Amino acid sequence: EPEVTQTPSHQVTQMGQEVILRCVPISNHLYFYWYRQILGQKVEFLVSFYNNEISEKSEIFDDQFSVERPDGSNFTLKIRSTKLEDSAMYFCASSVQPTSGVETQYFGPGTRLLVL
Amino acid sequence: AQTVTQSQPEMSVQEAETVTLSCTYDTSESDYYLFWYKQPPSRQMILVIRQEAYKQQNATENRFSVNFQKAAKSFSLKISDSQLGDAAMYFCAYRSSQGAQKLVFGQGTRLTINP
Repeated sequence: EPEVTQTPSHQVTQMGQEVILRCVPISNHLYFYWYRQILGQKVEFLVSFYNNEISEKSEIFDDQFSVERPDGSNFTLKIRSTKLEDSAMYFCASSVQPTSGVETQYFGPGTRLLVL
Repeated sequence: AQTVTQSQPEMSVQEAETVTLSCTYDTSESDYYLFWYKQPPSRQMILVIRQEAYKQQNATENRFSVNFQKAAKSFSLKISDSQLGDAAMYFCAYRSSQGAQKLVFGQGTRLTINP
């Protein structure tokens, strides 16, 4: 069964450094998402992406964040200058628009980011 | 803004028994979707079951069923004949039917299955 994959599984970085988290969505999916979960807190929506542009973003997704689909397979989340509070598990998800009913979002295993 | 609350941080159940996980939500919308996702240790979240708010009938998927009480804004998950493989973190999530596709998650409930 196709799965969403994410790399790396763990990333440690110094405060102020740039990080790029990578995701490979399921191949026929058209909608892509990033969520994050700070330790002990809820999973929070960051951004959704469709047709090569952001369709929705949360208040968390400020100018330090960007997303890109650089080729036909990868979907990346870039944090330009990491802060301590960016330490979290980051989940990528993808979905396909169904012909009826609601779509299911398929999640990747996550990247655990630690900012020191 | 919509919110989802799971009031049980942890639950445990004996293998083969039945357990119910609670979820309540707050919304002013009349049409929406509700989901239960399961996240086994070190694995990705997978969809367990979903419910369209306009459907009165409770969704069922094999051993998993929901009790959807729209007026009470309650969406509990019942797992029958619990198995060791059911041990996981369970997340309740809400999605609007209009525009926004984002999922709004609860805090999660960690379910332990005792052999």
